[in-house]
Amino acid sequence: DAGVTQSPTHLIKTRGQHVTLRCSPISGHKSVSWYQQVLGQGPQFIFQYYEKEERGRGNFPDRFSARQFPNYSSELNVNALLLGDSALYLCASSLETGRGEQFFGPGTRLTVL
Amino acid sequence: RKEVEQDPGPFNVPEGATVAFNCTYSNSASQSFFWYRQDCRKEPKLLMSVYSSGNEDGRFTAQLNRASQYISLLIRDSKLSDSATYLCVVNSFRGGGNKLTFGTGTQLKVEL
Repeated sequence: DAGVTQSPTHLIKTRGQHVTLRCSPISGHKSVSWYQQVLGQGPQFIFQYYEKEERGRGNFPDRFSARQFPNYSSELNVNALLLGDSALYLCASSLETGRGEQFFGPGTRLTVL
Repeated sequence: RKEVEQDPGPFNVPEGATVAFNCTYSNSASQSFFWYRQDCRKEPKLLMSVYSSGNEDGRFTAQLNRASQYISLLIRDSKLSDSATYLCVVNSFRGGGNKLTFGTGTQLKVEL
């Protein structure tokens, strides 16, 4: 079975631009969460979606937004990029909300110049 | 204070050694606990859940002390392939959803 997939794998943007990252969960998983991981730190929670509804939001500015589609795939959007947004963005899927057993995709490495 | 705190490492140990990692968490309402493993420039992968009764998976033993808000991971007979960063993770529920809070990770290097 295919695991969590994310696209693109790498991305280079300049300050002020916007970016859209995509995630497809494991088949049958209805919940998708997004995390940001900067070098030397653990992943930080950004959003969780379940059945197209936002179920949780971390301490990130409004420049960050996300959505989930009927097929349970998800997009993370970041507007007005800052240098500090450079990070590995991880998507994780789980069968439902409440589960700590989340399965992560390979991530999208975003570099903002 | 960070929500989840871990020994920063790195831990450099010889093959065959036993190594222990510790972690403390601040949110007493946290519901479940995990250890994830992350290889360099890869995604985190679930290693094992952690229960108050303690649980074992081969060479790995995890323990939770809710009263002290303390989590541990013991690796026996270390292998070169155990070299990775070990992330202590706390799961908490809120608003119909849940979030995982990760520690910064402890780096393990197993050497010949």
